[in-house]
Parts: sequence; C-alpha cells; structure tokens
Amino acid sequence: GAVVSQHPSRVICKSGTSVKIECRSLDFQATTMFWYRQFPKQSLMLMATSNEGSKATYEQGVEKDKFLINHASLTLSTLTVTSAHPEDSSFYICSATRPGQGDNTEAFFGQGTRLTVV
Amino acid sequence: AQKVTQAQTEISVVEKEDVTLDCVYETRDTTYYLFWYKQPPSGELVFLIRRNSFDEQNEISGRYSWNFQKSTSSFNFTITASQVVDSAVYFCALSEPYTGNQFYFGTGTSLTVIP
Repeated sequence: GAVVSQHPSRVICKSGTSVKIECRSLDFQATTMFWYRQFPKQSLMLMATSNEGSKATYEQGVEKDKFLINHASLTLSTLTVTSAHPEDSSFYICSATRPGQGDNTEAFFGQGTRLTVV
Repeated sequence: AQKVTQAQTEISVVEKEDVTLDCVYETRDTTYYLFWYKQPPSGELVFLIRRNSFDEQNEISGRYSWNFQKSTSSFNFTITASQVVDSAVYFCALSEPYTGNQFYFGTGTSLTVIP
C-alpha cells in the first residue's frame, strides 16, 4: 500500500541551530501535504498545509519564518525549524493525501519526528 | 470551536474487560470522514478505521468495533476483552474533503489496560 516516509525519526539539536525534517510520499504523488505538531500528552495540531509549487498556508499562531516549508516536488515536502529553541521540542508528523475519487481519497501519515532542542 | 471531542482523557481497565472510547464530532459538511488512530509510546499513528459520512453501518474487526451514529454525531470505539497491548493513546479524527483533507484530531484518550 501507499507509504509516507518521514526522516529523521529522532533528532537532538542545540539551541539556535536549524533542523530539517523530510516527508516523502513513496508511491504516489501528493500535491498537498500537512504538517502537524504534538506536544507531550496533547493532541496533534495542524501547523501548515504544504502545496506543491506554491507557498505553504500556515495556521494562526504558527510563525512562517521559523517553520519553513518547502514542497519542491510532488513527492517531497520539508519542514525546517530555524533557530530552534527548547520550546520547539515536540513531535512533528506529516501527512500526505493520495488523490482519488470519492471514497478512494486517502491520507497517510509519516512515522513522526521527535525533536529535542537542548 | 472544537470539531472533535473526546471527553475521556484517561481510562484504566483491567485486562479482559470491555471498554468504549467516546468521540463526538462537529461539521457542517455532508461529506466527511471519521477515523480512529492508535498512538503507542513510539509516537507513530496506527490507522484503525475510516468511515465516510454516508455509511452508518457499524463495523467489527476482531476485538474492535465502531458505532457511528449521525443523529448524535458520535463515532464510538469499543475494545472487547481488552489486552495489555491495547494500552495506548487513541485519537478520533475528522477529515472534510472540501477543506483539503486536513485532519481535525480530538484530544485523545489514554487507555491503560492493567494485567
């Protein structure tokens, strides 16, 4: 079946550095991908919608200059956390929608990336 | 406004007991999808079920069953004869195709099955 691969699964970085997270759809083309963030013991909250070939759409309260999203191809979206701070430590997860008709449209989630900023 | 409400934050049951996780949703769309995901400590979301808004048939898959009631906007999940491996956080989610298929997640229910 379709798979969405997210890399890395875990990353520890120093405060002030940048971290890039990749989300790939392995066997389908995804014009739209979504990035979610989950703080400990909380729900997953949508951060932004990544659109291939155009700018991402950010949810209210999410800093677009801090969380850079690039969707350069139909199978790859990247999220870069710039100048990371300890409060950015969280679980980040992407999803990709495989186009289809009616009930055949499906969304798939990546494995998630646990970011720890020290 | 919260689109998906999971009123139960934490539930503990003794192994072999049945447990029902509640989910209430809110949408103005006539076409939508409802989901349940299991999230073990590793964090990965494990897909359990997807239901479209036009299919109110209840579903059973092994020890799992789902009750979809449009009249009450509920999509409850029952685990029969719970096992320790069922311990996880369970999320109910709503997707609306006409708003781009983004997911609206409930706050999750943490289930602990005690041996």
